[in-house]
Parts: sequence; structure tokens; C-alpha cells
Amino acid sequence: DTAVSQTPKYLVTQMGNDKSIKCEQNLGHDTMYWYKQDSKKFLKIMFSYNNKELIINETVPNRFSPKSPDKAHLNLHINSLELGDSAVYFCASSQETGYGYTFGSGTRLTVV
Amino acid sequence: DQQVKQNSPSLSVQEGRISILNCDYTNSMFDYFLWYKKYPAEGPTFLISISSIKDKNEDGRFTVFLNKSAKHLSLHIVPSQPGDSAVYFCAASFAGANSKLTFGKGITLSVRP
Repeated sequence: DTAVSQTPKYLVTQMGNDKSIKCEQNLGHDTMYWYKQDSKKFLKIMFSYNNKELIINETVPNRFSPKSPDKAHLNLHINSLELGDSAVYFCASSQETGYGYTFGSGTRLTVV
Repeated sequence: DQQVKQNSPSLSVQEGRISILNCDYTNSMFDYFLWYKKYPAEGPTFLISISSIKDKNEDGRFTVFLNKSAKHLSLHIVPSQPGDSAVYFCAASFAGANSKLTFGKGITLSVRP
């Protein structure tokens, strides 16, 4: 059983489109995260939700909107995609914030 | 500003020898330090951690050392195995609510058979 699953694994889309990435965890964790790994390989946090409540919102363009329908799901919607949005996006969850993350396998987004 | 730095992009070692992966940090208030391992096309997986109140933590072939005065930690893998070839990320966090992991940019370890 996959603990943190993301879909899709690969996403190729044109500039200006809107796309969503879905994430689900079956670990019973209270906190979920979205991280972005850019071309320089840094893993940077974007958002964090605790029991469906947004607790971390780093400096991310408004085109990115997370949604957590319940504590097992955290989806990422991106409007008006730009070339610079091309990256690998990782979802993660943890029972305690800042510790013991379990990551999904990532979604490689390519904007052309 | 990079609060967690992994200055060496890659390391190559012979199978059976020791691998030493280094990490520096700038914020002396970090409470936890963690190492994650990542294979291609997979997410990072937790490897080992250390609390700021300790200077060493060991788990099988993996040992993490923390030098708080130097703001430096290292991961030792001994003996190294070809299956250890992966990208290793150092990460740090604060204790308490609304915390997050701050990652370094990773180091690629290659273990030669």
C-alpha cells in the first residue's frame, strides 16, 4: 500500500493552461505539505496544512492554490501555467510538523 | 538565503569504504536535523535523524554526527554498498507547531563496485 500517493506522475502542458495535482495519504497524519524541487535541485516548501487548515504559505504566486478537502488529501491547483513552473512537485505528510515526513514519489510538471 | 548547505555536489567512494557526507547550517536555533535519501523518480525517504541535544546517533551502517559549535553535521556510511548510490539531502527544523523542514540541495553519492 502506497503511503503518500500523487497523481499524475508526469504532466506536460502548454503555457497558460490550468492544471491540478492530487495527493492522498493513508498514514493518518495530521499535516500535509507541498514542496517544489526546481532545476537547481533545491527542495522548497510551498504550503502546509494541518487538519485541513493552512498553516504555512511561503512566498508562492497566487496562481498556486492548495485545497484540502479532508486531512488525508491535499491537492494543488495551478492557474495560467508559466515556463518557470516546470519542476518536480512533492507532496508529503507527517504526524508532527517539521519532523518525520513521508514523501510521495513526485509529479514532474513540464510547461512548454 | 540558504540555511542548510551541502557544498559538495557529489561524492564517489569504493564499495566497502566509508562515505562521509557533510552539511552545514546557519541557524543555531534548529532543534532537529535529518537525512533523507532519494533515488531517481522517487520521493525522498527518511534515513536518520539527530536532536540538537545529542552529538551522535547511530542506526546500523549509518551514523550522524552533530557539531553545534561549528554548525556542522555529517552522515557516515560504513561499509558503503552500491545500493547506497543515491542523492542524500540534509534537512533541519525547529520544534513546535507550524514548523517545516528546510532542505539542503543534496549530494549525489556513487558507490563503485
